[in-house]
Amino acid sequence: GDSVTQMEGPVTLSEEAFLTINCTYTATGYPSLFWYVQYPGEGLQLLLKATKADDKGSNKGFEATYRKETTSFHLEKGSVQVSDSAVYFCALSDTYSGYALNFGKGTSLLVTP
Amino acid sequence: GAVVSQHPSRVICKSGTSVKIECRSLDFQATTMFWYRQFPKQSLMLMATSNEGSKATYEQGVEKDKFLINHASLTLSTLTVTSAHPEDSSFYICSARATSPRAAYNEQFFGPGTRLTVL
Repeated sequence: GDSVTQMEGPVTLSEEAFLTINCTYTATGYPSLFWYVQYPGEGLQLLLKATKADDKGSNKGFEATYRKETTSFHLEKGSVQVSDSAVYFCALSDTYSGYALNFGKGTSLLVTP
Repeated sequence: GAVVSQHPSRVICKSGTSVKIECRSLDFQATTMFWYRQFPKQSLMLMATSNEGSKATYEQGVEKDKFLINHASLTLSTLTVTSAHPEDSSFYICSARATSPRAAYNEQFFGPGTRLTVL
């Protein structure tokens, strides 16, 4: 079945550092890929998405490119801020799952001043 | 737009009682809603898929008689935890998949979650 693997945290970075959170997936079909963010005490929010190979999702300085050849969707940001501290979830969905989301385990990010 | 609410946000109950959690899409119609469960410092696990007007589809290992799901309208789904026990304590999150044209992008909108504590 479908699955998502993302790097385990916690990840601690200094402000303005470069961020990469790795995410790889396995899927039988052609899934859509997502990054969700969960800020402390809040619900999940969609950060960015990509629906087909080579698509790049971007939002709030974050980017991720749908790489079919490596089955990856790594999240990157060039310069993190303290306000980016949160838990980041990589996820996929496809028609086989009825569009339910299959989540990775989440990566906790802490950005220090 | 695309707001999903959950009520209550937090509930504490005694073992053996039943608890109902509501999930509402406030400004859009959702033919499909999903219920997830999140354990501390872990990922979200899909419990069931709820389609308006039909029976919910439960994931393997989820007891349908314990977690009753009703999706009576295009804007409301409810999850009832029956005869709750301490091991049912968790964070329950719903999401709603908007009908077309948003549905074409597989976009789901998440509620803020409900923290259930069973004593």
